[in-house]
Amino acid sequence: AQSVAQPEDQVNVAEGNPLTVKCTYSVSGNPYLFWYVQYPNRGLQFLLKYITGDNLVKGSYGFEAEFNKSQTSFHLKKPSALVSDSALYFCAVRDRDAGNMLTFGGGTRLMVKP
Amino acid sequence: GAVVSQHPSRVICKSGTSVKIECRSLDFQATTMFWYRQFPKQSLMLMATSNEGSKATYEQGVEKDKFLINHASLTLSTLTVTSAHPEDSSFYICSARDRQFLYGYTFGSGTRLTVV
Repeated sequence: AQSVAQPEDQVNVAEGNPLTVKCTYSVSGNPYLFWYVQYPNRGLQFLLKYITGDNLVKGSYGFEAEFNKSQTSFHLKKPSALVSDSALYFCAVRDRDAGNMLTFGGGTRLMVKP
Repeated sequence: GAVVSQHPSRVICKSGTSVKIECRSLDFQATTMFWYRQFPKQSLMLMATSNEGSKATYEQGVEKDKFLINHASLTLSTLTVTSAHPEDSSFYICSARDRQFLYGYTFGSGTRLTVV
């Protein structure tokens, strides 16, 4: 079985400050890891993914995430938050050795205040 | 990049009627399509997975006679909510992947279904 935990329902940060949205995962095999962002009444937009290789993954809109195998974490980060980053963020995992299914975390709402 | 077009974006229907939601992959072949349901302020719940030309595999608790999924071609999958009831009101999102996993998972823009 595979699972994803996003321990924070909401993260508040001031514009210009660094932000971190936490994600931990559990899979039996090796993970594919993803971050998506969702704006109100919209589908999910892809931010970045870890498949293999460098543990630090850079994605869209200045976001990055670091794959930490020992801590089974894949936290999303950005050095300087923008008000327009305010949205709902989902971490997701797929066990590459166990089929197609993508499992989502519960989501974290990011609020960036001016 | 890969794009999945989902229509309609919003639909309001009367109880007892059926609603069809379409997802098309515009620039890649969607060998597998996933259908999700999202309740307000909640995460995505996988409803079913379909491979082109095969019957869909439904998750536990999802009524396959109510949520009909067709994936007849490599670029089109449809979800039909039959005999809709107010409790079916939700946000439905499709996602597609290609055989080689070149584009990861590409999501449609979602459909807000309201049953009155």
